[in-house]
Amino acid sequence: DAGITQSPRHKVTETGTPVTLRCHQTENHRYMYWYRQDPGHGLRLIHYSYGVKDTDKGEVSDGYSVSRSKTEDFLLTLESATSSQTSVYFCAISLAGGLYEQYFGPGTRLTVT
Amino acid sequence: AQSVTQLDSQVPVFEEAPVELRCNYSSSVSVYLFWYVQYPNQGLQLLLKYLSGSTLVKGINGFEAEFNKSQTSFHLRKPSVHISDTAEYFCAVSDQGKGGSEKLVFGKGTKLTVNP
Repeated sequence: DAGITQSPRHKVTETGTPVTLRCHQTENHRYMYWYRQDPGHGLRLIHYSYGVKDTDKGEVSDGYSVSRSKTEDFLLTLESATSSQTSVYFCAISLAGGLYEQYFGPGTRLTVT
Repeated sequence: AQSVTQLDSQVPVFEEAPVELRCNYSSSVSVYLFWYVQYPNQGLQLLLKYLSGSTLVKGINGFEAEFNKSQTSFHLRKPSVHISDTAEYFCAVSDQGKGGSEKLVFGKGTKLTVNP
């Protein structure tokens, strides 16, 4: 158990509203990631963080922003949600020291109507 | 950039039969390879990983995978499957990111259905 929680676990929102998803970890890991999972696409990286205030874009970053003001929290924001952002969102952490694998949170199912 | 191809989107098998789930990745100087499993309505769990060394990697739940550099493949195998192995399986390859991070690039997944 990598001590990762995501909130909320489920959310339904309307097109055009802002949405923030939270990823919280309890073990002080440096690297954190946000992915979205869609049928037929596997998981695709949205943004990742390599330290407090250090973030970079992933493969599908358009329409998303992130912030990491402290080690334990990594926030994903949809500034103006669209129906194409209906998805399951997973947060992940990876350990330093050359272990490379990532450990995933339980996911957030977001529906944009 | 790295890419991963999982050649079968769905694989139906009977219980106690062997199974192979195929994965090919884009070539690179060095790669780290992973298989993850996702049971229905759950998150992803690491099955096994290849970082270096022996090309035959053993994982949890009786699964193993073989790294083949010349064929750029990392196929997952199990000699005898159980109903409980029904899940979606994802192959992933590492891709160097900023600040020492290693991003993962995932394949589109293979749904394994084990029938009685």
